[in-house]
Amino acid sequence: GAGVSQTPSNKVTEKGKYVELRCDPISGHTALYWYRQSLGQGPEFLIYFQGTGAADDSGLPNDRFFAVRPEGSVSTLKIQRTERGDSAVYLCASSLTKIGAGGNYEQYFGPGTRLTVT
Amino acid sequence: GDSVTQMEGPVTLSEEAFLTINCTYTATGYPSLFWYVQYPGEGLQLLLKATKADDKGSNKGFEATYRKETTSFHLEKGSVQVSDSAVYFCALTRSGYNKLIFGAGTRLAVHP
Repeated sequence: GAGVSQTPSNKVTEKGKYVELRCDPISGHTALYWYRQSLGQGPEFLIYFQGTGAADDSGLPNDRFFAVRPEGSVSTLKIQRTERGDSAVYLCASSLTKIGAGGNYEQYFGPGTRLTVT
Repeated sequence: GDSVTQMEGPVTLSEEAFLTINCTYTATGYPSLFWYVQYPGEGLQLLLKATKADDKGSNKGFEATYRKETTSFHLEKGSVQVSDSAVYFCALTRSGYNKLIFGAGTRLAVHP
């Protein structure tokens, strides 16, 4: 079946502009995650959705970052007033887990969106 | 806070050599431990996992044992192939938490 898809695959924007990154999870997956991967580093957690609600947004670096998942499926990560330090690969993952289920699950990752802020 | 430390790369090996990539962690409670792999041009894939102490995860000839006494989860393979060339990430989740905490990754290059 189809995996997690992310669009666009690449995005180049100017400093100060607004960007939206989209994630289509695997059909039926209730949990959705956003991570950010800087060059040479491992992915860092940004936000986790269970259904439509953000169950954990502790990884969002500041209030320029915001994410939504209005119908419990597709999610959009929104970045306002982009800065050069926002340049990274943004990864989306989905899973079947329910909150509180612990670590016995697998997160399936999309190919990522490479964001470059010039 | 919780963290994962893995050996720096790149690791360069000849085909059929033995592979070890070290991973240690810091976490409260009893985390679950994972190895993810990222092949060139592809997304992250789960390679193996272990959810409690002394568990051994295995897949595609790779193995890792959850060692609570040394807080380690080292990845091993007895005979690597060129197709194993990739970046390997060690990661953990704490029980009741859903976010993955990753190490920095170790790049493996296998030459014929």
